[in-house]
Amino acid sequence: QVQLVESGGGLVKPGGSLRLSCAASGFTFSDYYMSWIRQAPGKGLECISYISSSGSTIYDADSVKGRFTISRDNAKKSLYLQMNSLRAEDTAVYYCARVSRPVWFAYWGQGTLVTVSS
Amino acid sequence: SYVLTQPPSVSVAPGKTARITCGGDNIGSNSVHWYQQKPGQAPVLVLYSDTARPSGIPERFSGSNSGNTATLTISRVGAGDEADYYCQVWDRITVVFGGGTKLTVL
Repeated sequence: QVQLVESGGGLVKPGGSLRLSCAASGFTFSDYYMSWIRQAPGKGLECISYISSSGSTIYDADSVKGRFTISRDNAKKSLYLQMNSLRAEDTAVYYCARVSRPVWFAYWGQGTLVTVSS
Repeated sequence: SYVLTQPPSVSVAPGKTARITCGGDNIGSNSVHWYQQKPGQAPVLVLYSDTARPSGIPERFSGSNSGNTATLTISRVGAGDEADYYCQVWDRITVVFGGGTKLTVL
């Protein structure tokens, strides 16, 4: 069965960096677009980034553009999110999700909490 | 940018039918997808492409999409359906989620 397991969340100071990982199993990872979706406490869902199956196409939301970088390693069946220059408003649960085309999300990880606070 | 509008809350008595709307400019020309999220859990896809149900989702969940409104309908509502529900579309290169609707079972 499809499994997505995020890791790497935690407490970080404003301006700091963090790298999230998502380990995939149960499907052919290299066949699918993947995405990071976040949810601030008590708020709704925001798709912040997605990446094509080969990694050649990337989309970043304006809210994270220039600060966050999505990447993938198909050999390791892993998705990553490098987060730099973190702000308090980046505090959220970050979900990894598999993209079905033309774009919905049938599979989600359990999420990892990122807290940006001094 | 494209905006999806959902009512913040909907209440329904057990056994009745709940309807959750998702408004957007000419949303009927888009495919709409719906997610259910219970407290402390990841979202779960309950409908995709307006009306299709993923494996394991009961037939009580159905959808429609026309004009400027998409609707998620949940029939014979039970306590287990109490959750937040989000609609979502794909707009050119961006993913857009509605603000979410909290379904309360009275």
